[in-house]
Amino acid sequence: QLQLQESGPGLVKSSETLSLTCTVSGDSIATKGYFWGWIRQPPGKGLEWIGTIYYSGSTYYNPSLKSRVTLSVDTSTNHFSLRVSSVTAADTAVYYCARSRSKAWWELLYWGQGTLVTVSS
Amino acid sequence: QSALTQPASVSGSPGQSITISCTGTGSDIGSYNFVSWYQHHPGKAPKLIIYEVNKRPSGVSNRFSGSISGYTASLTISGLQSEDEADYYCCSYAGSTTSGGFGGGTKLTVL
Repeated sequence: QLQLQESGPGLVKSSETLSLTCTVSGDSIATKGYFWGWIRQPPGKGLEWIGTIYYSGSTYYNPSLKSRVTLSVDTSTNHFSLRVSSVTAADTAVYYCARSRSKAWWELLYWGQGTLVTVSS
Repeated sequence: QSALTQPASVSGSPGQSITISCTGTGSDIGSYNFVSWYQHHPGKAPKLIIYEVNKRPSGVSNRFSGSISGYTASLTISGLQSEDEADYYCCSYAGSTTSGGFGGGTKLTVL
């Protein structure tokens, strides 16, 4: 049974860098044909796709966040990571990691439970 | 990221059917049959309920169905149940390296 678990600081100071890790269990992150993504939901707002990465390191980013977002993958420890630089209060959100249904990287079938990150001033 | 437009809210009574629309453009819904829908109960992880316009992942009730016409995709929920009360989001592929992103979401209330 594939499981994903987000981890990282729940509180980040404004202008600093938010860093989260998604630990994958039940399957190898290097399994071909599956993509790994990050999505967030600010309080009271809708879902926002952040970006997606393949085990090879290929990435797809939301154009509106691309300049501040970095995704990385570590196949040796079976996790992938998100970094968002220069955060503001607008980056306060529940952050989810997810895996695609197949090579269709935009279809996210497995999700973590989410982790709340608050940006403080 | 393209903007997919959904109604803010819909409602229905138990047993009824409701439809949620998702309007895109010729760059996303109008060009690709890669529309997906997610159900999101507050405090839980979103759940993929429809992909490729009208296909359901294993375990998803056949009360959920999808369709497309022009630039508008639709999610229909038949035989409405109380547990269907949730937020619903559409999503569309928009070519190459860009996802269409999520629609603004629709809050379904079961009366």
